[in-house]
Amino acid sequence: NAGVTQTPKFRILKIGQSMTLQCAQDMNHNYMYWYRQDPGMGLKLIYYSVGAGITDKGEVPNGYNVSRSTTEDFPLRLELAAPSQTSVYFCASRTTGGSNIQYFGAGTRLSVL
Amino acid sequence: KNQVEQSPQSLIILEGKNCTLQCNYTVSPFSNLRWYKQDTGRGPVSLTIMTFSENTKSNGRYTATLDADTKQSSLHITASQLSDSASYICVVAYGGSQGNLIFGKGTKLSVKP
Repeated sequence: NAGVTQTPKFRILKIGQSMTLQCAQDMNHNYMYWYRQDPGMGLKLIYYSVGAGITDKGEVPNGYNVSRSTTEDFPLRLELAAPSQTSVYFCASRTTGGSNIQYFGAGTRLSVL
Repeated sequence: KNQVEQSPQSLIILEGKNCTLQCNYTVSPFSNLRWYKQDTGRGPVSLTIMTFSENTKSNGRYTATLDADTKQSSLHITASQLSDSASYICVVAYGGSQGNLIFGKGTKLSVKP
């Protein structure tokens, strides 16, 4: 049972480039989340999804886009990378109801230079 | 404004010693409070989760307390081990079914031999 898998682990982008951060979970969780963690700061919610075909903005969505075509996958797209998007990105998932515990991936460390 | 404040920011203790980490929150409407452990370079992992009516919850050598009246929580670590070196994040859930979370900045604990 792999849990939540994020790829890549590290990436360096040039300003203006685009990329997609991949997230996949094998726990059949309906809810999936994308967070960013800046140094010395708490995690901030970028986007979340309550099921396939349904996504919604979190606290800091500007500069990002998401899609949820399947239950398993929740990719995060950066269209025009900016230095302010240098951060560590975490994907998480949880089941519906219950204790609402979110299970996190290992993160993607992104630098935009 | 919904906020979660943690103290101290960092802490160094000797192996075998006990320690207590603090969390104060101003989050409404309160749903539950969680403590996560985040090892360096990894995603957060849930330690405990407490609802409004729970005062104490233990997970091995970790014991969390919650005072919903004063909006304070603590995480007590007993007989620390080198593997306890990590960041400990207090997280408060609020609102509806989306699992909206407010993350503290974390306390960085270093356990020295």
